[in-house]
This record gives sequence, structure tokens and C-alpha cells, in this order.
Amino acid sequence: GDSVTQMEGPVTLSEEAFLTINCTYTATGYPSLFWYVQYPGEGLQLLLKATKADDKGSNKGFEATYRKETTSFHLEKGSVQVSDSAVYFCALRTADSWGKLQFGAGTQVVVTP
Amino acid sequence: EAQVTQNPRYLITVTGKKLTVTCSQNMNHEYMSWYRQDPGLGLRQIYYSMNVEVTDKGDVPEGYKVSRKEKRNFPLILESPSPNQTSLYFCASSLRGSTDTQYFGPGTRLTVL
Repeated sequence: GDSVTQMEGPVTLSEEAFLTINCTYTATGYPSLFWYVQYPGEGLQLLLKATKADDKGSNKGFEATYRKETTSFHLEKGSVQVSDSAVYFCALRTADSWGKLQFGAGTQVVVTP
Repeated sequence: EAQVTQNPRYLITVTGKKLTVTCSQNMNHEYMSWYRQDPGLGLRQIYYSMNVEVTDKGDVPEGYKVSRKEKRNFPLILESPSPNQTSLYFCASSLRGSTDTQYFGPGTRLTVL
């Protein structure tokens, strides 16, 4: 079945450091891929998405590129801030499953001043 | 203000006592979904609804029921709660499907004793 695998956290970084969170997937066909972010005590928010191979999603300084050859959708940010401390979820939706969304386990990121 | 509301936000109950968690959105969204969030497992989809009177199972539907009689409301019903349903529950909605940006409610923390 479809699945999403994320690197385990927590990931602890200093402010202005480079952030990478790895995400790989297993899916039939060509899924749409998403990154959601959950700030402490809140629900999830869509951060970015990509719907086809080689698409790059970007938002708030974060980027992720849909790599079909490596079945990956790694999240990157060049210079993190304390306000980026949150849990980040990678997710996918397969083409034949319009309503279903499959999430990874989440990666907690802690940015220290 | 566009939002998804859930009630109650916190609930402690006992095994076997039927309960309902309400979810309402004011954005005229067609798609609504319920998730549970557990440590190390990320979010898992319970049920989703593509429109009024159209519901379908997600990955973990056992022990839950839903209904979609009106576009704005999507209640989650636990007919006979058990301790393994202790979790953090999120409702979400989007314009048409899971590829559209999903807007999440604030969450309901349920404890079943």
C-alpha cells in the first residue's frame, strides 16, 4: 500500500542554519505530494505542494522538489528562524484516491537562538 | 472569519459511553475529513466526505461513524469508545478534494478511561 517515510526527529538547529527533512514515498501511479506544518497547540497548515514530477513547491522560504526517480520530496530551508520550530508532516495523495491523504509520522524541528 | 471549529476541545469519558465530536466549517467546502494523531504514527485518516451524503472510509475507520447531512457539518461518532481510541482528533475541510489546501480545526483531545 501507499506509505510515506520521514526522517525521525527531533531535529535541533541553531538560528540561521540550513534545514533538510527527508521524505520518501511508496505509491502506485503518480501521487501528489505535500508538506504540512503544525505549530505548537495548533492544527496543521499546508506549507507547500507538488502535483507532478520535477515540480518544485515553495512557500515562506521552504522548498521541496518532487523527484520521481528517487521517490522523494525532501523539504529544505536555507536559514531557519526560531519561529520555524514546529512539527513537519510529509503527505501524499494517489491519483486513484481523490479523498485519501496519507501522512508520514512527522518530524519535530527545534530552532534555538 | 474562515474557520473549522470542533467541539469539544477536550473530553474525558469512560469505555462504552457514546460520544459525538462536532465539526463545522463556514467556507462552503465540499470535502471534509477526520484524522487521528498519535505519537510516532503521524496523522491517520478515519473517514472523509466528498460532499453531502457521500462518505468513505479512510485508513482507520473501525469503531467510528460519520454522517454528512449538511455541507457545513461532519460529526464524528464513537458508539462505544474504548481506551485505544484515546487520541488527538482533527477535522479538516477543503474546497473539493484532498489535493486542495486543507484547513484544519484546532483539535479535540479525547481520553477514554
